[in-house]
Amino acid sequence: DVQLVQSGVEVKKIGESLKISCKSSGYTFRNYWIAWVRQAPGKGLEWMGIIYPDDSDAKYSPSFEGQVTMSVDKSISAAYLQWDSLKAADTAFYYCARQTGTNPTYFDSWGQGTLVTVAS
Amino acid sequence: AIQMTQSPSSLSASVGDRVTITCRASQSIRSGLGWYQQKPGQAPKLLIHGAVSLHSGVPLRFSGSGSGTDFTLTISSLQPEDFATYYCLQDYNYPYTFGQGTRLEIK
Repeated sequence: DVQLVQSGVEVKKIGESLKISCKSSGYTFRNYWIAWVRQAPGKGLEWMGIIYPDDSDAKYSPSFEGQVTMSVDKSISAAYLQWDSLKAADTAFYYCARQTGTNPTYFDSWGQGTLVTVAS
Repeated sequence: AIQMTQSPSSLSASVGDRVTITCRASQSIRSGLGWYQQKPGQAPKLLIHGAVSLHSGVPLRFSGSGSGTDFTLTISSLQPEDFATYYCLQDYNYPYTFGQGTRLEIK
């Protein structure tokens, strides 16, 4: 079975750095794009960006370009989302999702989400 | 970026009702649209991909239609477990973009 398991709850302070993870199993990690999606408290879903593990090709939404960095470690089938300096507005749930198919394409497997709380 | 306008933002309906949710893209996305269901405290779940294809395991009461700029998700006969929030996602062009969501509530 395909599984994406995300790292646990994070409570950080403004200005701190953070790296959250999404570990995949049950499929060939390097061959499927992994996306990140943000959901602020009580708000809708926002597509942040996507990365291809085989060559780390990454596409960012303009809203998130320069604010976060996506990366992967193929040796342990993990994708990461990191911040160098957190803001209060980064408080949200973050989901990773696997993209399947080429035409059409879709996100068929999702992580359980990581809650990031940034306090002053 | 392509804007996705989803409507209505909320909807009250009863078990057994037929409901329709729409998404309009700011430019043609051909069939590059998916529909996702999210329940409180859970990750989104794929319902429909390629605008019209039912994802494996999704009940037949869910259906999708449309192409180009106008898309529809229909639930033919609401069941108690269908009360949730629904999102469209255009996956035709980067950056992919979600609609604002439709919260489906029990009347």
